[in-house]
Amino acid sequence: AQTVTQSQPEMSVQEAETVTLSCTYDTSESDYYLFWYKQPPSRQMILVIRQEAYKQQNATENRFSVNFQKAAKSFSLKISDSQLGDAAMYFCAYRSAGAGNNRKLIWGLGTSLGVNP
Amino acid sequence: GAVVSQHPSRVICKSGTSVKIECRSLDFQATTMFWYRQFPKQSLMLMATSNEGSKATYEQGVEKDKFLINHASLTLSTLTVTSAHPEDSSFYICSARDPRGYTEAFFGQGTRLTVV
Repeated sequence: AQTVTQSQPEMSVQEAETVTLSCTYDTSESDYYLFWYKQPPSRQMILVIRQEAYKQQNATENRFSVNFQKAAKSFSLKISDSQLGDAAMYFCAYRSAGAGNNRKLIWGLGTSLGVNP
Repeated sequence: GAVVSQHPSRVICKSGTSVKIECRSLDFQATTMFWYRQFPKQSLMLMATSNEGSKATYEQGVEKDKFLINHASLTLSTLTVTSAHPEDSSFYICSARDPRGYTEAFFGQGTRLTVV
């Protein structure tokens, strides 16, 4: 079975600085998707960034980028120029690829990110 | 992206009563929806996978008779908490995948249930 591990329950960063959240996963599959979701105090889950395992290039979305190391099964999230609005819980998630919409997400325990002004 | 709407956002009910939570896909058809429960400062715990026109698939340890799931149409799934007890108080979230080429799941706003 697949597992997702986030080893940092809490982190903090100074506004405008850069922070990296770690995520490792375990799987025997070769084709899958990885996601970072953000859950702010409103508790609405928001997709931050996604990565397809077959793509070697690291995904980027504005200030957010990932370091995807497939062999090491590592998927870290880097937030550049941190803003107060980045304060939230961040969850790393894994999903098997393949046909069908019923493949469930495997979740990490989350990292609570605080941003200091 | 696709939109998933969940209602109500907050509900308070008395012990022993039932409460229904709705999850709608507003601009796409969702053959599958997922129901999660989330305790404070914890991750999402999958309760069940809701399949349109068929019985839901429950995760191990989730009581089927307490958490009734109905997915009667391609845009609506409901979760009914029956004979609610204070320990059922929690945050419930639904999600669905848009089959039109999106790889990610889209989430409802969540429902905070308080049983008194």
